[in-house]
Amino acid sequence: ILNVEQSPQSLHVQEGDSTNFTCSFPSSNFYALHWYRWETAKSPEALFVMTLNGDEKKKGRISATLNTKEGYSYLYIKGSQPEDSATYLCAFRTGTASKLTFGTGTRLQVTL
Amino acid sequence: DTAVSQTPKYLVTQMGNDKSIKCEQNLGHDTMYWYKQDSKKFLKIMFSYNNKELIINETVPNRFSPKSPDKAHLNLHINSLELGDSAVYFCASSQYLGGAGETQYFGPGTRLLVL
Repeated sequence: ILNVEQSPQSLHVQEGDSTNFTCSFPSSNFYALHWYRWETAKSPEALFVMTLNGDEKKKGRISATLNTKEGYSYLYIKGSQPEDSATYLCAFRTGTASKLTFGTGTRLQVTL
Repeated sequence: DTAVSQTPKYLVTQMGNDKSIKCEQNLGHDTMYWYKQDSKKFLKIMFSYNNKELIINETVPNRFSPKSPDKAHLNLHINSLELGDSAVYFCASSQYLGGAGETQYFGPGTRLLVL
């Protein structure tokens, strides 16, 4: 059984704050790490797919880093906005035809 | 145009009934998936099809049977519905199976409630 853990479970920040969350995954048999953004009543939307140790990806104010040797990824949001409010999911894959194993997500709420 | 669509969005039915959920993707992807969001909000893979061929079949009761008439469609049939089947079911697709950088695109979900 693969354990993908995310912390914190929820987070409440003020507009303009910068924040970050953690995704922990098994460090063996790493293949890929995905980040998704999931707004209430909508579909999960892909943010990043990361495959190499040391990868850093950026999309606007959101960025992510990857450490496959120690089994963690960080997602950073700079200058949070109310529209960033969502659940952020990470998902882990061990191989070519393997499934995505999702964490339970970090629920972010950004208020004015 | 919706990339991955599911019908119906909501399904309320009685225990023991048989129901189907349909999924269609217009992205030209080869691979499609069914996920179940359980009571703890985990997204768990149920099935994966690649070019109409079953690739992943997780430990799911036999009452659940996927059917892929073509690579753009993956339907989920559920027989003899039970209370515990109540959940949100998500369909997803990806361009191909196997690429490390492959992204999955999700449908809007079907909220199933079994009474």
